Amino acid sequence: GQNIDQPTEMTATEGAIVQINCTYQTSGFNGLFWYQQHAGEAPTFLSYNVLDGLEEKGRFSSFLSRSKGYSYLLLKELQMKDSASYLCAVRDSNYQLIWGAGTKLIIKP
Amino acid sequence: IAGITQAPTSQILAAGRRMTLRCTQDMRHNAMYWYRQDLGLGLRLIHYSNTAGTTGKGEVPDGYSVSRANTDDFPLTLASAVPSQTSVYFCASSPTGSTGELFFGEGSRLTVL
Repeated sequence: GQNIDQPTEMTATEGAIVQINCTYQTSGFNGLFWYQQHAGEAPTFLSYNVLDGLEEKGRFSSFLSRSKGYSYLLLKELQMKDSASYLCAVRDSNYQLIWGAGTKLIIKP
Repeated sequence: IAGITQAPTSQILAAGRRMTLRCTQDMRHNAMYWYRQDLGLGLRLIHYSNTAGTTGKGEVPDGYSVSRANTDDFPLTLASAVPSQTSVYFCASSPTGSTGELFFGEGSRLTVL
């Protein structure tokens, strides 16, 4: 079966750095996405990786290793507004998105 | 403001009733999707449409139907609601030729009693 694993919850301190991991086992691979979802709101797109390596976008970076079935989202200079759930999703060989259950990130002052 | 509009935002429904969740987008995206989101689970695809006039089944289609008469509208119908359909429903769209980034509506919270 297809599976996306990410930690259920993480806690970090304002101003610090946090890394949210995502491992996947899917039927084929056509890209990995990270989305941010604030409580009670819709998910919003953060990043897309299809090749191995690091994609940097401001305070957020996303890394992919296809051989290891692994990705991480790195958030730097954490702000209180970064408190949200972070969803990892992989597009499989049928171009269908398989979603992880999300990681709830709690930022403490 | 361009985007996706869903209605209603919240609804309590008696089991056995018929319900249609509406979804309208003004971004002229070809592909549209309906997901449900339940606590502790990832988003699950109910139905999708790659272009107007076509629809397909997702991971959890039973008990739901969709139509795509035009580019902008993609309603989701529950023919006879059951309590297990209590969930938050998100409509999403994506443009053709993009990386596949999804644009989501604000969600419809449905409670079936």
